[in-house]
Amino acid sequence: GAGVSQSPRYKVAKRGQDVALRCDPISGHVSLFWYQQALGQGPEFLTYFQNEAQLDKSGLPSDRFFAERPEGSVSTLKIQRTQQEDSAVYLCASSLGLTSGGADTQYFGPGTRLTVL
Amino acid sequence: DAKTTQPNSMESNEEEPVHLPCNHSTISGTDYIHWYRQLPSQGPEYVIHGLTSNVNNRMASLAIAEDRKSSTLILHRATLRDAAVYYCILRGGGADGLTFGKGTHLIIQP
Repeated sequence: GAGVSQSPRYKVAKRGQDVALRCDPISGHVSLFWYQQALGQGPEFLTYFQNEAQLDKSGLPSDRFFAERPEGSVSTLKIQRTQQEDSAVYLCASSLGLTSGGADTQYFGPGTRLTVL
Repeated sequence: DAKTTQPNSMESNEEEPVHLPCNHSTISGTDYIHWYRQLPSQGPEYVIHGLTSNVNNRMASLAIAEDRKSSTLILHRATLRDAAVYYCILRGGGADGLTFGKGTHLIIQP
C-alpha cells in the first residue's frame, strides 16, 4: 500500500519567506509526527497529533513554527519568516496510535529538504 | 525516554552476520526497545522492536539481555543495501515522539 508521502521534496526559500510543507500519512493512521533533521544529526521531534488534536508541540523551536492537521489526515508544517538555521530535512511519520504506545511503530516519509538562503 | 548508548560506527563484510550493540542501563519495566535505520537520503525505516523476549522478523533479529540493560540487533547476512545509520530507541507507554540519538553508522565492505 501507499506509504507516507511528503511534498515538496526540495524547497529553497529566501530568508524571511514563509514556507508550507505537506504530509500525507498512511490511510487510517491516527497519529502523525513531525521531526527536524539537521545535517549529520539524528531526527529531532517537533510535534505530534492524534487525529486532529495537537497533543504535543514541545519540540517546535520557536513561534515561527506552526503545524496543523484540521481533518485528522493531511498535515501541514508552516514556517514563517524563515531563517538560515531552519535549513534541514523535515520528516513526517505516522502510526496506528496503539493504546500500548510503547509498541506503536512509526512509518516515515522521505522528508522535505529545506534550504534557506 | 531513557537514554541509549551505541558505538559511533561499525564495519562489516558483505554476506557476513552483523551484531549491532545497544546499552540501555536505565531502561524501565514498561519500555520497549525499538530499532530504526536510515539509509542515505531517505527517512528512517522501522526494523524491529521487542519488550523482553528475543524477536525475529524478515529484516533482522533482536536479542535482549535477561536484565534488559542491553540488546543486540542482528543482521544475519549483510548486504551493501544494509549500509545505513542504525538507531536504538526506547519507547515508554506514551505514544509520543521518538528520541533519536546519534546511532551507529554501519559500513559494509564488498
